[in-house]
Amino acid sequence: DAGVIQSPRHEVTEMGQEVTLRCKPISGHNSLFWYRQTMMRGLELLIYFNNNVPIDDSGMPEDRFSAKMPNASFSTLKIQPSEPRDSAVYFCASGREGPRSSQYFGPGTRLLVL
Amino acid sequence: QQQVKQSPQSLIVQKGGISIINCAYENTAFDYFPWYQQFPGKGPALLIAIRPDVSEKKEGRFTISFNKSAKQFSLHIMDSQPGDSATYFCAAIWGQKPSGGSYIPTFGRGTSLIVHP
Repeated sequence: DAGVIQSPRHEVTEMGQEVTLRCKPISGHNSLFWYRQTMMRGLELLIYFNNNVPIDDSGMPEDRFSAKMPNASFSTLKIQPSEPRDSAVYFCASGREGPRSSQYFGPGTRLLVL
Repeated sequence: QQQVKQSPQSLIVQKGGISIINCAYENTAFDYFPWYQQFPGKGPALLIAIRPDVSEKKEGRFTISFNKSAKQFSLHIMDSQPGDSATYFCAAIWGQKPSGGSYIPTFGRGTSLIVHP
């Protein structure tokens, strides 16, 4: 199994630009999570999908952030417009929804907004 | 509200020593307690996990100790090696999904472990 795939691995952009992060979960997993990791705030859950449906987006910081999961094998996280404070590592994770389920994280996208 | 408190924030250990990371939780509905290990530049990876019906689980040099009455659990790394240097996260997951809720893990803030050669 290839594991969770994320692209791009690194992104450098200028303030105000649109950023799109992509994720391919592990085949057969029905839960998908987007996280943001910073030194200051640690690992923050942004949004959680179950069976391609957004279940909990309470962690999405503001309207500039949006996420979609059009099918079971693809999800995007979009930031528009981007701001320097969005600089962080963004992780996608997938799993099988259940009480003792584990999450499998991708390698992350390191985003730098200048 | 931080539902899983992890300590210490950072830890330095000599090679061969024992590394101990502690976590405490508040909600007794949590039923599964995984630990994740994250190396620099990588995503967190599941290391070991425990259920509250056992008090200890060991996998190689890694042991989880669980104290249900105190609502605490800890990770012990025996014979710590420089290759163990990483950030460690504890987490807790519901045993039964609450009404309107989901099985989203609650993570601790992480512990940065450095093992000196």
